[in-house]
Amino acid sequence: KAGVTQTPRYLIKTRGQQVTLSCSPISGHRSVSWYQQTPGQGLQFLFEYFSETQRNKGNFPGRFSGRQFSNSRSEMNVSTLELGDSALYLCASSLASSRTLRSNSPLHFGNGTRLTVT
Amino acid sequence: GDSVTQMEGPVTLSEEAFLTINCTYTATGYPSLFWYVQYPGEGLQLLLKATKADDKGSNKGFEATYRKETTSFHLEKGSVQVSDSAVYFCALSLLGNQFYFGTGTSLTVIP
Repeated sequence: KAGVTQTPRYLIKTRGQQVTLSCSPISGHRSVSWYQQTPGQGLQFLFEYFSETQRNKGNFPGRFSGRQFSNSRSEMNVSTLELGDSALYLCASSLASSRTLRSNSPLHFGNGTRLTVT
Repeated sequence: GDSVTQMEGPVTLSEEAFLTINCTYTATGYPSLFWYVQYPGEGLQLLLKATKADDKGSNKGFEATYRKETTSFHLEKGSVQVSDSAVYFCALSLLGNQFYFGTGTSLTVIP
């Protein structure tokens, strides 16, 4: 079974630009989450999508947005890039389905997209 | 708020030494607890999990017990190998599929 695939692996952008990152989950997984990983803040939750709907959102500004398609693939968009957006962006998929129960299903991570903003 | 605090690194051990990486959590409900590992050049992968108090998760010689009374989930291994060198993350999940991660502990095992 193929794992979580993220494209591209590396991106270099300049301040003010926007960027779109892509994630293909494991087949059969309908939940897709995005995380930002930095040396200073560690892993921080951005948002989660399930069946094309955003179910949870972390504490990030509105410049960070995402969407999920009917085939469960997801994209994340960051507009008006800032230097502080430089990070490794990780996508994770899961079998978790319920919004009201805690998740016992682990996250399966992709290798990430390394975004550098200059 | 909900959070995970784990032992600061880096940790350097000799091969066959005993490993403990401390992890404590703060949660408003009853979370599921996880340890993830990130080997050099690879993505995060699940190491083990525990879903209720007193559960013990285990994998690849690593163990962690869900201790509700001390809100802890410490990772242990009796005899580490060079191949265990990696960054280890403690995490919890509550409602839905939102996970909270610790800052990670880097482990280097020397021969």
